[in-house]
Amino acid sequence: AQSVTQLGSHVSVSEGALVLLRCNYSSSVPPYLFWYVQYPNQGLQLLLKYTTGATLVKGINGFEAEFKKSETSFHLTKPSAHMSDAAEYFCAVNAGGTSYGKLTFGQGTILTVHP
Amino acid sequence: KAGVTQTPRYLIKTRGQQVTLSCSPISGHRSVSWYQQTPGQGLQFLFEYFSETQRNKGNFPGRFSGRQFSNSRSEMNVSTLELGDSALYLCASSLMAELNTEAFFGQGTRLTVV
Repeated sequence: AQSVTQLGSHVSVSEGALVLLRCNYSSSVPPYLFWYVQYPNQGLQLLLKYTTGATLVKGINGFEAEFKKSETSFHLTKPSAHMSDAAEYFCAVNAGGTSYGKLTFGQGTILTVHP
Repeated sequence: KAGVTQTPRYLIKTRGQQVTLSCSPISGHRSVSWYQQTPGQGLQFLFEYFSETQRNKGNFPGRFSGRQFSNSRSEMNVSTLELGDSALYLCASSLMAELNTEAFFGQGTRLTVV
């Protein structure tokens, strides 16, 4: 069974600082990995995904993530935080096989951006 | 292009009642998944439908059920509501059947059980 661990339920950064949100996964098969963002009272919006191929994945709004199989990690980064980045971020995994439509999510990381 | 539409947005029910939530996927999408989001348990997978067939189910009691219609619209039903069923219920739709396909989420239905 797959699982996802997000280190740090709250991360606080200054505007213009580097954003680093950590995600480690456990999967018995090569996984499909996703990062989603959720703004208050909204659904989830996909930031980026890793399926196969290049391990450095670029997403929307300047975010990127690197798949490191040896570390079972998929950390999300953004070089310079903006106030509008304040939201909750979720890492998710789909383990393939017959896991149709089934995303396993981490517990989420709330990002606060200070002016 | 319209996104995933969930109705109603907010709902208040009494313990013991039943409730039906509706989800209209993006036009052309045939896969619909449902998730429950609570502060304590986070986001948990309920079930997934594709072409009116349930292909996957999470670890929820039988009080939680769903169905998909021929136009891909989906409903989920919760019977004999409990206080612990209070949550944000999210629906997601996908274009293809492949596992790596992006899921588009609706804004959710916030259910409060009193």
